[in-house]
Amino acid sequence: NAGVTQTPKFQVLKTGQSMTLQCAQDMNHNSMYWYRQDPGMGLRLIYYSASEGTTDKGEVPNGYNVSRLNKREFSLRLESAAPSQTSVYFCASSPGDGTGELFFGEGSRLTVL
Amino acid sequence: GENVEQHPSTLSVQEGDSAVIKCTYSDSASNYFPWYKQELGKRPQLIIDIRSNVGEKKDQRIAVTLNKTAKHFSLHITETQPEDSAVYFCAASKGSGGYQKVTFGTGTKLQVIP
Repeated sequence: NAGVTQTPKFQVLKTGQSMTLQCAQDMNHNSMYWYRQDPGMGLRLIYYSASEGTTDKGEVPNGYNVSRLNKREFSLRLESAAPSQTSVYFCASSPGDGTGELFFGEGSRLTVL
Repeated sequence: GENVEQHPSTLSVQEGDSAVIKCTYSDSASNYFPWYKQELGKRPQLIIDIRSNVGEKKDQRIAVTLNKTAKHFSLHITETQPEDSAVYFCAASKGSGGYQKVTFGTGTKLQVIP
């Protein structure tokens, strides 16, 4: 079982460039999430998808868009990258049945110059 | 929205000593409190969790306590070992139609000195 897979693992962008982070899970989970992790700030929720066909803003959605392509895949897009978006991004999934545990991907380290 | 505060931000203990990390939350509707461990360069992974109808839970050297009245919960690690060195995150969560909205604390970097 691969669990939660996200790509790419590393990316360097110039200010203003766009990119998409891909995430897929093979656990048949209903809910999927995108978090960003910055030193001293913990994990902050960018967007989430409670179930296939729905997406909602989290704590820090500005500058990002998401797509829940199907039950397995949830992508995060930066339309015009800014240095403030330099961070480590984690995709996560959960069964969505109230049990609560989050299963994280390995993370994607993004640097915006 | 929910606000989770976590202390201390860094903690150094001698191998074999105990470590305690404390968190407070603001939303009385939160009903699930997980703790995640993140080793350097790795993904966060759940190590223990507790639900609001339980006051304490233990799993070998790790225990979590919850005080709903005071809205605080704590992680206790006994007989610490070097492999316990990591960043620990507490979180508070509440369910809504099967979906759990999770808010994380800012993390505690635990260093166990051999």
